[in-house]
Order: sequence, then C-alpha cells, then structure tokens
Amino acid sequence: NAGVMQNPRHLVRRRGQEARLRCSPMKGHSHVYWYRQLPEEGLKFMVYLQKENIIDESGMPKERFSAEFPKEGPSILRIQQVVRGDSAAYFCASSPGLQGLNYGYTFGSGTRLTVV
Amino acid sequence: EDKVVQSPLSLVVHEGDTVTLNCSYEVTNFRSLLWYKQEKKAPTFLFMLTSSGIEKKSGRLSSILDKKELSSILNITATQTGDSAIYLCAVISRNDMRFGAGTRLTVKP
Repeated sequence: NAGVMQNPRHLVRRRGQEARLRCSPMKGHSHVYWYRQLPEEGLKFMVYLQKENIIDESGMPKERFSAEFPKEGPSILRIQQVVRGDSAAYFCASSPGLQGLNYGYTFGSGTRLTVV
Repeated sequence: EDKVVQSPLSLVVHEGDTVTLNCSYEVTNFRSLLWYKQEKKAPTFLFMLTSSGIEKKSGRLSSILDKKELSSILNITATQTGDSAIYLCAVISRNDMRFGAGTRLTVKP
C-alpha cells in the first residue's frame, strides 16, 4: 500500500504562472483534504473533497484557488496567477470515510511550492 | 529516508486516566516537532517544540522533546471523553515536514 502520494515534491513557479498540485489518496480512501502550511505556522485547512464533490471549501481563498477530485485520477489543487505569498508547503490527507474518529487520516509528504 | 513513528497506534483508556503518547523521528537537519489533535477535518495545533528538555504545558496536556533520544512525548492527565481524537506528531526539518501515522486515543466514560 503506497500511502498518500503527492507530486511534485517541489515546485517552482514564477509570479503569474499556474501551479498544479496532485494528490493520490491511499487505496480504498475516497475522502481527500488539502492543507497549507505556512513557514513556522500550523496547518490551515483548505478544502475537503469526495469523488466528484466538494464537501467543504471554507478554507479556500476566494480567488485563484480551486480543487477537484475527479472520478478517475488524483485530486488536483490548482493555483492560478501565483504570487509570492502562495509559497508554502501544501499537504494532502485521505481517509476511507466520513471525517471522525472512526477513520484514520493519512498524510502525504507534501508539495513545497516556491514562487519566484 | 526521514521518518516519524508514533506509538501506540491506538489506545483506549477510561476517564481520569493519564496517558503518554510517543513520537520518535529520524530526520536530517531537525528544526522542530509539532503535536496536533485531529477530531474533524482540521488538525488543531497543540505544541511546537524546538529545544530539548523544556516542557510545554497547556492545561492537562504537556509535552517535552528529547533531542538526544530523537523523541517526544505528549502527556494528558485526568483524561476526559473530549480528549478522544487522533494525535498527530510532525517533524520539520530544513526542507521538509513529515507526519507520523497518529495515535488514536479513545477515552471511555
């Protein structure tokens, strides 16, 4: 079981470019969560998705950020027209079912985005 | 390869018990260790530990880092049912942040 796979591990983008971050959940997991870790801060929730559905996007910035989890393939976090402030580590976690104590969360290794 | 190992993976106690959760790590260029409590969709930040031997406390929770042993413990005294959660340990190195698998704590009335 390969665990939660995120790629790329490191991504460098120039200001104004688009960044695409991918997350493949653990086998059997249908729920995906995206978080942002700013330097020396805690994790900030961004969005919670099930296959083909956005369940909760209360942590997503209103502009430039979007997420999807298609029926086939990985979940994608897309950041358009990146700015320096988007530089951070982005983590994905997956779980087999509804959020709650009965289900474990497994974190990926993260994608470190650097905007130059 | 860097790794973070938490133990036990699962723990069931009764209200009033004291629990100790463990986190050990092998990373290069260690900077800090963080503890989180995860109940719903977002982990709640508990502690950040950078210096060895200095205990951090918040109510019934406390944590300490041992850089010599490459480990940290999280203690919860007088546990309550509201402490039931998954407790995550994460280690920050110069270029990376890595999570452990978590300890699932269940506190029974």
